[in-house]
Amino acid sequence: DAMVIQNPRYQVTQFGKPVTLSCSQTLNHNVMYWYQQKSSQAPKLLFHYYDKDFNNEADTPDNFQSRRPNTSFCFLDIRSPGLGDAAMYLCATSRDLGIREQYFGPGTRLTVT
Amino acid sequence: AQSVSQHNHHVILSEAASLELGCNYSYGGTVNLFWYVQYPGQHLQLLLKYFSGDPLVKGIKGFEAEFIKSKFSFNLRKPSVQWSDTAEYFCAVNKDSSYKLIFGSGTRLLVRP
Repeated sequence: DAMVIQNPRYQVTQFGKPVTLSCSQTLNHNVMYWYQQKSSQAPKLLFHYYDKDFNNEADTPDNFQSRRPNTSFCFLDIRSPGLGDAAMYLCATSRDLGIREQYFGPGTRLTVT
Repeated sequence: AQSVSQHNHHVILSEAASLELGCNYSYGGTVNLFWYVQYPGQHLQLLLKYFSGDPLVKGIKGFEAEFIKSKFSFNLRKPSVQWSDTAEYFCAVNKDSSYKLIFGSGTRLLVRP
């Protein structure tokens, strides 16, 4: 089945230690998104890639970066995680920017100790 | 501020009870509306969507939603819930021509057998 895969499902990192979360998709979609979801809150868009074009949301901290080496993979890098960055990180895809339906991965729960 | 509101954060029902989850948004103009569901341990899945046309939308698993433009609402309904409907439900809004999905904070539904 075509899908959005996130690895790992659970990640523990230390305060200030860089961490990378991974997302891959078999849908061959042009757009990949990263959301942050804190407990009991709505998912919040961090940034998205349309093909190789990176689009950062205005309020996304500089601590968060992303890479998309090819169509299938997208990475979320947190350069110096703080305790406030503990959250569920969701990856999503859509076929195109004009196609508004998004397909989500299972998420990676990040714990910062 | 523009937002999506889900007023019920937690709902507990017995099997066969009827369900209605509220969703209100504060955006003017043309919007596209979604309900996503997240079963325990699983990824966000699309339940139903409204882009245009008949304001009563039928989704998967017996769910439906009604778009009432005058009330800025898109409430989710199901006539008779099952234990397997236990999940978290998210309303989301996309302003036409925008790539962004704005999510509500979610409603956790517990259906007792």
